[in-house]
Amino acid sequence: EAGVAQSPRYKIIEKRQSVAFWCNPISGHATLYWYQQILGQGPKLLIQFQNNGVVDDSQLPKDRFSAERLKGVDSTLKIQPAKLEDSAVYLCASSLASGGVNEQFFGPGTRLTVL
Amino acid sequence: AQSVTQLDSQVPVFEEAPVELRCNYSSSVSVYLFWYVQYPNQGLQLLLKYLSGSTLVESINGFEAEFNKSQTSFHLRKPSVHISDTAEYFCAVSDRLNAGGTSYGKLTFGQGTILTVHP
Repeated sequence: EAGVAQSPRYKIIEKRQSVAFWCNPISGHATLYWYQQILGQGPKLLIQFQNNGVVDDSQLPKDRFSAERLKGVDSTLKIQPAKLEDSAVYLCASSLASGGVNEQFFGPGTRLTVL
Repeated sequence: AQSVTQLDSQVPVFEEAPVELRCNYSSSVSVYLFWYVQYPNQGLQLLLKYLSGSTLVESINGFEAEFNKSQTSFHLRKPSVHISDTAEYFCAVSDRLNAGGTSYGKLTFGQGTILTVHP
């Protein structure tokens, strides 16, 4: 079974530029999560989708971050414009359904460096 | 709101020695508890979880964790570590039910503990 795929694996941009990350979840998984992991900290949930609808985006900085999950499969996370403090690893995860009993499977992450 | 505190940021230990990685949590609702592991240059993997039933849970590679409700802890232990256990370990909680009576499964992570096993 293929795991969660993410691209690119690494990205370096200058502040005020825009950037986009892509995630392909495990086939059949209805729930998709984007987490931000700053160096030295644990991952923090940015947004959670159930199929193509948002169920939690309370910690997403909506003035610069946006995410979509068209057709309830792949998802993209965009930052525009980027700030220095956005340097982090962006993790995508998926699970069969929402709810804590459903194991979340994580992708390898995209490491973003903002200069 | 939930929070997770991992009391040690780094734990160095010699091979075959026992180890304990400490985790405390706070939550206004009942929770599920998890330990994730991140090996160098790899993604997060679920190590073990407590959902219900026996408060002592085990992983396939010899780790165990015990849910202690009165102390709001979920410490991770292994009686004898190997070099291959070198990794970063994250404790996490997920709500059983939020205030609206549903559970979205959002994970709240601790800061992580880097376990380094020396020969």
